[in-house]
Amino acid sequence: DGGITQSPKYLFRKEGQNVTLSCEQNLNHDAMYWYRQDPGQGLRLIYYSQIVNDFQKGDIAEGYSVSREKKESFPLTVTSAQKNPTAFYLCASRRQGGYTFGSGTRLTVV
Amino acid sequence: AQTVTQSQPEMSVQEAETVTLSCTYDTSESDYYLFWYKQPPSRQMILVIRQEAYKQQNATENRFSVNFQKAAKSFSLKISDSQLGDAAMFLCAYRSVNNAGNMLTFGGGTRLMVKP
Repeated sequence: DGGITQSPKYLFRKEGQNVTLSCEQNLNHDAMYWYRQDPGQGLRLIYYSQIVNDFQKGDIAEGYSVSREKKESFPLTVTSAQKNPTAFYLCASRRQGGYTFGSGTRLTVV
Repeated sequence: AQTVTQSQPEMSVQEAETVTLSCTYDTSESDYYLFWYKQPPSRQMILVIRQEAYKQQNATENRFSVNFQKAAKSFSLKISDSQLGDAAMFLCAYRSVNNAGNMLTFGGGTRLMVKP
């Protein structure tokens, strides 16, 4: 079955360390997105990519970086510059017809 | 930039009753899409219903229906015959037709509790 895989489901990191969240899709979707969700809140856009080797900042890109070297993969790096990285991170992809979301990664920085 | 507002952080409904969740948005565009997503405790995003702004008819999907008021920029979700499985976070989202990135802009969400 096609879908989006985010790994790991839970991630713990020490303050000051960079961490990379994985997002892989086998849907042949061109566009991919990263969203952040804080407790009891909606989703905010971090970065998005429409095609390979191209990506754009979203509303809250500071302290994050991405790459899109392959169509299937859109990893998100949470850097030490992100002041409050503890959150739930959702990856999504899109082709005509709609969006598909991953199951998310819960990142806790201690 | 477009904004989406969900003014009810939490709502509760008795099982089998009807509940309406509100969503308003701000845009200067005439054509766009609106969505309601359900996010159960598993955090998986499930599309509930989608509305195209150029269609005047309100979208319906089984027990879920919307009241789309374009002039008022309002997009409320009505859940009829509420079931325990409806307990979830409900997220309203907007997408511009002219947006090259096709990204969704979300509201803050409404957590729905269903009482047995």
